[in-house]
Amino acid sequence: AAGVIQSPRHLIKEKRETATLKCYPIPRHDTVYWYQQGPGQDPQFLISFYEKMQSDKGSIPDRFSAQQFSDYHSELNMSSLELGDSALYFCASSLDRGGEQYFGPGTRLTVT
Amino acid sequence: AQTVTQSQPEMSVQEAETVTLSCTYDTSESDYYLFWYKQPPSRQMILVIRQEAYKQQNATENRFSVNFQKAAKSFSLKISDSQLGDAAMYFCAYRRFGNEKLTFGTGTRLTIIP
Repeated sequence: AAGVIQSPRHLIKEKRETATLKCYPIPRHDTVYWYQQGPGQDPQFLISFYEKMQSDKGSIPDRFSAQQFSDYHSELNMSSLELGDSALYFCASSLDRGGEQYFGPGTRLTVT
Repeated sequence: AQTVTQSQPEMSVQEAETVTLSCTYDTSESDYYLFWYKQPPSRQMILVIRQEAYKQQNATENRFSVNFQKAAKSFSLKISDSQLGDAAMYFCAYRRFGNEKLTFGTGTRLTIIP
């Protein structure tokens, strides 16, 4: 069965640079979620989109923005990167709002 | 705000034995969902089992079962016949009905002893 695809899988950036993470949901899934998992920590909800509209917002820094496109893929844009942004970023998708969330393999971002 | 607490940072169990992981949560809501996710060394988040709060019957998935005590706000995971592949970090998670975000506990690292 098709799963959530995230790219890139690994990303190394320097402080103050920008990064773009991409997420391709499972086919027919219209809701996308982003989570951030710091080293040794539990995942923290950042933001979600339903039918291309932002549907919920968590602890996402102002330096980050995200959107969902017409094909339902989503991108998380991160600017002015800080060392503390180093983390595993998960995307999850579900079939409509409130559905079961299926997680992608994550993108590991390292900021040096 | 909802909180999820896992009081056991680490657990270990002999292969083929049974182990129970604990989880408590705090909420004022009556409709919600509870989940157990497994995160093996690959770091992939895998859904193990889910429970709807309105259901009195405890969920089961093969060797995995839960003990859901709504009044006590407790949601433990029992793994029977433990296998080496069960070794992972296990996260308990909560989601309010009609809401989207998952709130995770801090996790329990499970080690399987051969």
